[in-house]
Amino acid sequence: GAVVSQHPSWVICKSGTSVKIECRSLDFQATTMFWYRQFPKQSLMLMATSNEGSKATYEQGVEKDKFLINHASLTLSTLTVTSAHPEDSSFYICSAIPAPGQSNQETQYFGPGTRLLVL
Amino acid sequence: ELKVEQNPLFLSMQEGKNYTIYCNYSTTSDRLYWYRQDPGKSLESLFVLLSNGAVKQEGRLMASLDTKARLSTLHITAAVHDLSATYFCAVGPMDSNYQLIWGAGTKLIIKP
Repeated sequence: GAVVSQHPSWVICKSGTSVKIECRSLDFQATTMFWYRQFPKQSLMLMATSNEGSKATYEQGVEKDKFLINHASLTLSTLTVTSAHPEDSSFYICSAIPAPGQSNQETQYFGPGTRLLVL
Repeated sequence: ELKVEQNPLFLSMQEGKNYTIYCNYSTTSDRLYWYRQDPGKSLESLFVLLSNGAVKQEGRLMASLDTKARLSTLHITAAVHDLSATYFCAVGPMDSNYQLIWGAGTKLIIKP
């Protein structure tokens, strides 16, 4: 149980285009999801906290107009990288926490990650 | 501000040996997590530690938590090559139910 999927797993795009990444909790509902980015050989950097039905909370230094987050349902959050540039190339990972009333609420379950390369 | 320090950052060891990875954090917390990450992959939850003195074991890995010392350890017993990975600890701030502050990670290489 507690599986999180991400789509796509790999994306290569041209500079200036927008890329949408989906994060789905497959067998549980998640009122809260997180978006991270990870550079090679570094730890995870939290970008934003996504709450179902409300606006995302962005960490300091993360441009909310560039990284659009939509958490439209209890099982889906999307991250759209708008007008992507080479410096946006990274490994993007989402995680989800089971909603209240479900088991294992203390644990974040991670998706498999999406590797973005902007040319 | 909650800070999390892992030690060591890199570790190369022979199969069959024992070793401990340390995770220190700077302020009070009631949640500590250990995750494993294989190259190019996402994170796998290993342990969730929620109380002082908590000890959990899974195979050759054992994690413990001392909230008074603000220290968690991940002990590897009789290491095998399959345990090669990067191990992260993450700590939950008291003022947030869900957010985590991450350590830098410990890259573990186990040589046959």
